[in-house]
Amino acid sequence: KNQVEQSPQSLIILEGKNCTLQCNYTVSPFSNLRWYKQDTGRGPVSLTIMTFSENTKSNGRYTATLDADTKQSSLHITASQLSDSASYICVVSQVEPGSNYQLIWGAGTKLIIKP
Amino acid sequence: DGGITQSPKYLFRKEGQNVTLSCEQNLNHDAMYWYRQDPGQGLRLIYYSQIVNDFQKGDIAEGYSVSREKKESFPLTVTSAQKNPTAFYLCASSPKDRDFFYEQYFGPGTRLTVT
Repeated sequence: KNQVEQSPQSLIILEGKNCTLQCNYTVSPFSNLRWYKQDTGRGPVSLTIMTFSENTKSNGRYTATLDADTKQSSLHITASQLSDSASYICVVSQVEPGSNYQLIWGAGTKLIIKP
Repeated sequence: DGGITQSPKYLFRKEGQNVTLSCEQNLNHDAMYWYRQDPGQGLRLIYYSQIVNDFQKGDIAEGYSVSREKKESFPLTVTSAQKNPTAFYLCASSPKDRDFFYEQYFGPGTRLTVT
C-alpha cells in the first residue's frame, strides 16, 4: 500500500534552535518528493521538489534530503524563527507508466517555535 | 495580484443542505483540484480537472460535485449525500496535470461546518 509517514507528529523547540523532520514512504513507482509548509488555517506552500536523482536541496534556511534507496527524506530547519511555526507536509508523487501521476500526502508534522 | 482565491473563508450550514464552495484562479493554469483536509490526516483528493468542461473523480468523490465551465473557475458543491462534510476544503491549481513535476498552488481554504 502506498503510504507516507511523518515523524514526529508534533515538535516544540526554542527560537534559534535547529530541527529535523522525518518522512518515510512506501510509494512505488516513485517520481518525486515535495515538502510543503502550511500555516494554521491557510493553504500549503511549496518548499522543495526533489527527484530521485537529487540528494539535497535547499531553500533558504530549509534543507531537504532524499535517500531513494531507503525511501527516506528529511527536512532540516536552521536557526528557527517564530514564523517557522506551522505544519510541514511531505508529499510523494507516484506515476504509473502510461497514466497520470498521483500525490500521496503525509499527515504532517506540527512545529511550534517558542520564544 | 495573481493567485487562487476561495470564498467564503468560513461557511456554516444545516445538515441536509447543499452548499457550493468557490475557487477562482488567475494564474492561467490548466489543471485545478479540490482537496479535503481533516485533523491528523493527509490531504485527500476529491475531484480534479485538466481542461475546461472535463473533470475526474479523486479518491473521495462521493457526495460531491464539480463543474469547469471556465478555465479560471472550479466550484465544488457539497451535497446532502456527503455523510461527514465538516472539514477544511482546499482548492489548488497547476500549469499542467500530466506533467508530474509541476507543483500545485493552493488557495487559502474554506472551513465548512455542518450542524
